[in-house]
Amino acid sequence: DAKTTQPPSMDCAEGRAANLPCNHSTISGNEYVYWYRQIHSQGPQYIIHGLKNNETNEMASLIITEDRKSSTLILPHATLRDTAVYYCIAPPYNQGGKLIFGQGTELSVKP
Amino acid sequence: EPEVTQTPSHQVTQMGQEVILRCVPISNHLYFYWYRQILGQKVEFLVSFYNNEISEKSEIFDDQFSVERPDGSNFTLKIRSTKLEDSAMYFCASRYNTGELFFGEGSRLTVL
Repeated sequence: DAKTTQPPSMDCAEGRAANLPCNHSTISGNEYVYWYRQIHSQGPQYIIHGLKNNETNEMASLIITEDRKSSTLILPHATLRDTAVYYCIAPPYNQGGKLIFGQGTELSVKP
Repeated sequence: EPEVTQTPSHQVTQMGQEVILRCVPISNHLYFYWYRQILGQKVEFLVSFYNNEISEKSEIFDDQFSVERPDGSNFTLKIRSTKLEDSAMYFCASRYNTGELFFGEGSRLTVL
């Protein structure tokens, strides 16, 4: 997997946007960037993924820099239920789809 | 919405006993995975399974572990002789082809 680097923890006020950064400077041209989250030892939950264009779905937006060396996951209006560990993963294209989880960013949404 | 289901949610066993953890992946999915997470640590890949055979396994997945898809719907993880250090949450995951993995809620294994 392309190595990803995330801050270990972040805080966000409820109702504000949470912007979670990820560096993936070694990513290759055909490797997607995936974001998952894990809420308190539940199963990891898929959030969003992208290749080079910005993506948006009902959960979040993903902004990928033009050089693809970093990305930002945006939760536009964070709620207390968004408190979780967020993982940025860039799996190799030809590696059978397995994901290797790092330590992620522990996001605490505070009232 | 289709989901991956896992049973049991929690199993307590004695060291040396065999354990089977069961998973029902999403019905049209083709790729299946087991992961584990020891308390306080990160989620670790164990094994991937496709076309009725193991496609990749990690160093953790030694001879004590095996996987099976016996009937086209269930996907099982067997630990032959459990050790204390096997205590963990075990997550099953599946995906159709490319794209995202869908994870189950996990089975907590406690080895005494």
